[in-house]
Amino acid sequence: DIQMTQSPSSLSASVGDRVTITCRASQGIGRSLAWLQQKPGKAPKSLISAASSLQSGVPSKFSGSVSGTDFTLTINSLQPEDFATYYCQQYQSYPLTFGGGTKVEIK
Amino acid sequence: EVQLVESGGGLVQPGGSLRLSCAASGFTFSDHYMDWVRQAPGKGLEWVGRSRDKVNSYTTEYAASVKGRFTVSRDDSKNSLFLQMNSLKTEDTAVYYCARRNTHGDNDYWGQGTLVTVSS
Repeated sequence: DIQMTQSPSSLSASVGDRVTITCRASQGIGRSLAWLQQKPGKAPKSLISAASSLQSGVPSKFSGSVSGTDFTLTINSLQPEDFATYYCQQYQSYPLTFGGGTKVEIK
Repeated sequence: EVQLVESGGGLVQPGGSLRLSCAASGFTFSDHYMDWVRQAPGKGLEWVGRSRDKVNSYTTEYAASVKGRFTVSRDDSKNSLFLQMNSLKTEDTAVYYCARRNTHGDNDYWGQGTLVTVSS
């Protein structure tokens, strides 16, 4: 199975900050990585697919990048509605696997 | 508008069975692979299983933790996805989501989830 190591597991940030979340795959997955946002009590929402392609309707303050097996989600100008838990997911091979999540909290 | 609505969750005893449904609308259901993903209380996301489309003979894939106990199926005539869960264990307690796989391979739409509690 491909392990997705996500870091940090949590972070505190202020409104207006830029935050970066990283996911490392245990083996090569090309660009087959998605980023998801989940708010408490809600279903996950897809933000980014193919490592860096924004889903329709997702604001451009979210961006994704990849270098080898290291994937990064960047959120610019953090707003109150961005405080949530973020997950990465690889869909290169079965079983599909997720990172452990990063909880972004208000400082 | 794409909508996925799960139903069928509830309280079941260990060793029991439950069948979840996911009603899809707003897109051509038969063209898409569909997934089940679960989330135990306070935990992260875990992929459960997949149904491929008719072109791919409705073949399925499963996580090791549920293989042999859970069965994913679908009825394209009713735009519905199902998850038959047998021999349930307490560790199967979770919110179960259905999710659409798009042509790029990722899950672009998710349902709101249905809670399954396995407890005596």
